[in-house]
Amino acid sequence: QSALTQPRSVSGSPGQSVTISCTGTSSDVGNSNFVSWYQHLPGKAPKLIIYDVTTRPSGVPDRFSGSKSGNTASLTISGLQDEDEADYYCCSYAGSYTWVFGGGTKVTVL
Amino acid sequence: QVTLRESGPALVKPTQTLTLTCTFSGFSLSTTKMCVSWIRQPPGKALEWLARIDWDDDKHYNTSLKTRLTISKDTSKNQVVLTMTNMDPVDTATYYCARYTVTSEGFDYWGQGTLVTVSS
Repeated sequence: QSALTQPRSVSGSPGQSVTISCTGTSSDVGNSNFVSWYQHLPGKAPKLIIYDVTTRPSGVPDRFSGSKSGNTASLTISGLQDEDEADYYCCSYAGSYTWVFGGGTKVTVL
Repeated sequence: QVTLRESGPALVKPTQTLTLTCTFSGFSLSTTKMCVSWIRQPPGKALEWLARIDWDDDKHYNTSLKTRLTISKDTSKNQVVLTMTNMDPVDTATYYCARYTVTSEGFDYWGQGTLVTVSS
């Protein structure tokens, strides 16, 4: 299983929108409705922010949204805030009860 | 409140076997659809899913590491144990345990991780 491909970094000013892509293959992202996204601050436990491609867990602000087209999933942060500065990871079910993560994207709030 | 905490040695020598324990609270691994996974992250690299154990004791492993991994649970102690044999410096990583629920299909709670360095 190869890691899913994410941009190393994205940036935006407060209030702007940023989108993080997560590209896999027809064996994982393209064939799965079980794509999830995680926010990771240094020294803290990763936090689930999107599951089942588009669903936000309770308590996650609605400025976080997920989507998928073909082999690429995306996370959009609308109305970027300072506290959104973190690393973000995608994850997809890869079949046969295995999972694969993306390489991570650092979001910088300018 | 769901919490998970990883524990184990910070340093292991090459060829040794690593044993990590995940102690959790706020849920039971005997509850249907509850699972616990192990995930690791080498310094500066991507997260890598390692293994999962389910409420019914089904076990699933990363295909590439399957021969080296064993996951087990002690439901009475609320613990999940991962062993990894024949450790190598490339296995140096922060190791996380995380809860996975089949209903949400995501790793919804994570521990803070434990750094394991493999060096002689």
